[in-house]
Amino acid sequence: KAGVTQTPRYLIKTRGQQVTLSCSPISGHRSVSWYQQTPGQGLQFLFEYFSETQRNKGNFPGRFSGRQFSNSRSEMNVSTLELGDSALYLCASSLMGSGTNTGELFFGEGSRLTVL
Amino acid sequence: AQSVTQLGSHVSVSEGALVLLRCNYSSSVPPYLFWYVQYPNQGLQLLLKYTSAATLVKGINGFEAEFKKSETSFHLTKPSAHMSDAAEYFCAVILLGGGKLIFGQGTELSVKP
Repeated sequence: KAGVTQTPRYLIKTRGQQVTLSCSPISGHRSVSWYQQTPGQGLQFLFEYFSETQRNKGNFPGRFSGRQFSNSRSEMNVSTLELGDSALYLCASSLMGSGTNTGELFFGEGSRLTVL
Repeated sequence: AQSVTQLGSHVSVSEGALVLLRCNYSSSVPPYLFWYVQYPNQGLQLLLKYTSAATLVKGINGFEAEFKKSETSFHLTKPSAHMSDAAEYFCAVILLGGGKLIFGQGTELSVKP
């Protein structure tokens, strides 16, 4: 069974640009969550999507957005990039959602974004 | 508000020694608790989880954790460290019905030969 796939794995952008990251969850998983990981702030929750609807949202500015498609694949977008957006962005999928039966999240390897 | 605190951002042990990584949670109701491990340049992998079934939880790679409500703790242990255990470990909490995992700051485990 294929795991969570994130693309691209590495990317470099400059300030002011925008970026779109993609996540393909494990087959059958309907919930996709996104986390930002930085050395200073650790792992911070961005948002969660379930059946194409944003179900939970973290404390990030509106420059961070996401969506989920009917096949459960998800994308997140960051507009007007800032230096502080440099981070590892992790996607995680779950069978039913992080607050339900198992709470277990399966993580991808992440997309490492560097903003210059 | 729920949160987790991991005591010690870095722990160093010798190969074969006991591994003890500390995690305390703050929650007004019984939470679900998790330990995840992250190897360099990889995502997070679930080690074990507590979901109120048994207070002593066994996970993968010989790790286990004990839920102690009176101490609001969920410490991770392994009797004998291997070099391959070197990684970063994260404790996380979620409330039943909640929508997100709250992670601790992580503890980097080093294993000396």
